[in-house]
Amino acid sequence: GAVVSQHPSRVICKSGTSVKIECRSLDFQATTMFWYRQFPKQSLMLMATSNEGSKATYEQGVEKDKFLINHASLTLSTLTVTSAHPEDSSFYICSASPRGYHTDTQYFGPGTRLTVL
Amino acid sequence: KQEVTQIPAALSVPEGENLVLNCSFTDSAIYNLQWFRQDPGKGLTSLLLIQSSQREQTSGRLNASLDKSSGRSTLYIAASQPGDSATYLCAVRPEGFQKLVFGTGTRLLVSP
Repeated sequence: GAVVSQHPSRVICKSGTSVKIECRSLDFQATTMFWYRQFPKQSLMLMATSNEGSKATYEQGVEKDKFLINHASLTLSTLTVTSAHPEDSSFYICSASPRGYHTDTQYFGPGTRLTVL
Repeated sequence: KQEVTQIPAALSVPEGENLVLNCSFTDSAIYNLQWFRQDPGKGLTSLLLIQSSQREQTSGRLNASLDKSSGRSTLYIAASQPGDSATYLCAVRPEGFQKLVFGTGTRLLVSP
């Protein structure tokens, strides 16, 4: 089956630093990848949609200059949290829609736990 | 704006019970609805996907129904087991969009 990986699975950083999270589709090409954020005991909230080779589309209220998304290839999207602060501590999950398949399907990564001290 | 709500927020049952999880959404213009399972600190596992033209889907002990016009879906779990303990999320895909809008989740605990 289709597998999506995320790296790292867990990261702890100091306030003010930048953190990059990778999302890879391991056995399929993904034209579209999605980045979600989940705060404790809350549901997933879509942050942005990224299409390969074009700029990401951000949801209302998500700062595009703070959460930089790059989808440079059909198997890799990255989310960079710039100048991270404690309020950015959250669980970040990506998903990917396969290229050439029915776009009903999104395959989810295992998530990245970010803790900003 | 599409909003998805799940009731109950938490549920604790003894092993063997049949149970129903509820999901409601405010805008009936959806392309499909999915039920996911999330274990603590983990990603999502897709359980069932119902297209807007369908009424229900079944997989093993799981049955999901969809009443699009009333904005409701239910997930029925038969003969629950401790391994079913997890958070269950429903998500709708609005018409014209690829994104998913997630519900608030139901935390299920099945005791041996």
